[in-house]
Amino acid sequence: KNQVEQSPQSLIILEGKNCTLQCNYTVSPFSNLRWYKQDTGRGPVSLTIMTFSENTKSNGRYTATLDADTKQSSLHITASQLSDSASYICVVIMRDTGRRALTFGSGTRLQVQP
Amino acid sequence: GAGVSQSPRYKVAKRGQDVALRCDPISGHVSLFWYQQALGQGPEFLTYFQNEAQLDKSGLPSDRFFAERPEGSVSTLKIQRTQQEDSAVYLCASSLSGQTSYNEQFFGPGTRLTVL
Repeated sequence: KNQVEQSPQSLIILEGKNCTLQCNYTVSPFSNLRWYKQDTGRGPVSLTIMTFSENTKSNGRYTATLDADTKQSSLHITASQLSDSASYICVVIMRDTGRRALTFGSGTRLQVQP
Repeated sequence: GAGVSQSPRYKVAKRGQDVALRCDPISGHVSLFWYQQALGQGPEFLTYFQNEAQLDKSGLPSDRFFAERPEGSVSTLKIQRTQQEDSAVYLCASSLSGQTSYNEQFFGPGTRLTVL
């Protein structure tokens, strides 16, 4: 069964600190990997999209890395802000096999405290 | 509208009732997806449309779940004879094209269904 596993399950940090979230996957055949931010009561919003040939991609204070050999990705958040409090979901997309669905991890719930 | 909209935002149903959840995708988006998200979990795929054609319904948990998109735009997810385990947030997403798996999906805010 294709799986996407994230760690930690939850995380509390102080405002201004950095943090790194982890994602391991077994989805195959791999097409691309995305990190989404989901605020409470809202739908997920895309932060980064990475193909197997990309090792790192940044979006403001968010930097995602991908190691397609070990099937691991990370999301690094720099200088955290209170508005970063949300769930961060790793999503892996299979190469087109007729099914275009995303395989979601369970997410890391991040709480940034003042 | 500018984004994907869903209605109602919240729905409370008594066990055994039928419910209908609506999704308005971004105008012009070919692909439409439905997901089910249990509390504290990531979304799980239910079904996928390309225009009006339902190309994949492998994620629908039972024959009580039915989705349609008759004119290739608005979609409705219907759940018959609701049960408590159907309680979840139902997310709709759309993307511009279904030709490649690289196209970004844009999500609506979801409908939170609570079955009593």
